Amino acid sequence: GEDVEQSLFLSVREGDSSVINCTYTDSSSTYLYWYKQEPGAGLQLLTYIFSNMDMKQDQRLTVLLNKKDKHLSLRIADTQTGDSAIYFCAESREDNAGNMLTFGGGTRLMVKP
Amino acid sequence: DADVTQTPRNRITKTGKRIMLECSQTKGHDRMYWYRQDPGLGLQLIYYSFDVKDINKGEISDGYSVSRQAQAKFSLSLESAIPNQTALYFCATSPNAGELFFGEGSRLTVL
Repeated sequence: GEDVEQSLFLSVREGDSSVINCTYTDSSSTYLYWYKQEPGAGLQLLTYIFSNMDMKQDQRLTVLLNKKDKHLSLRIADTQTGDSAIYFCAESREDNAGNMLTFGGGTRLMVKP
Repeated sequence: DADVTQTPRNRITKTGKRIMLECSQTKGHDRMYWYRQDPGLGLQLIYYSFDVKDINKGEISDGYSVSRQAQAKFSLSLESAIPNQTALYFCATSPNAGELFFGEGSRLTVL
């Protein structure tokens, strides 16, 4: 079966880097995603990485994938108070029903001024 | 206007009542989903639909039913609500497998 795990909480100071970690168990995952949920809102796609890539960078965001260890991380450089949110990782797998996402429990990032 | 609209946004009801949560989208996507969010548990898939004639159970479909009235509309029903169905419910759409577009959520409290 598939399982996606994240730590529940991370606190950083404004201007520092944040690293949010995720582990997954399904080696057949095709894409891995990071979604962001701001208070009172639904989730929004932040970035994603294809399973044959090791790293993807997009402005302040860096995604690292260690496929051997089934470990995914999201690094946010120069973290701002507006980055305070819940971050969810998700894996995509292909089954008879088509590609489906499995979400982790979410990491709440708190950025202190 | 939001691309994925959920109604109601908040609802308080009593045990045993029937509740319907509605979702409509203007994105033109065929795929629609209902998720439930509980703190620390992430999102759990309740039902999903890949087109108007297609309905599929997700991980936690017991106690729920859905109706896909049109490409743009997908409603979730609780026939007889119970307190452990108190949660935040999200509708989402997708053009394919990966990127989901979420509504703003419907907070349901069952007393």
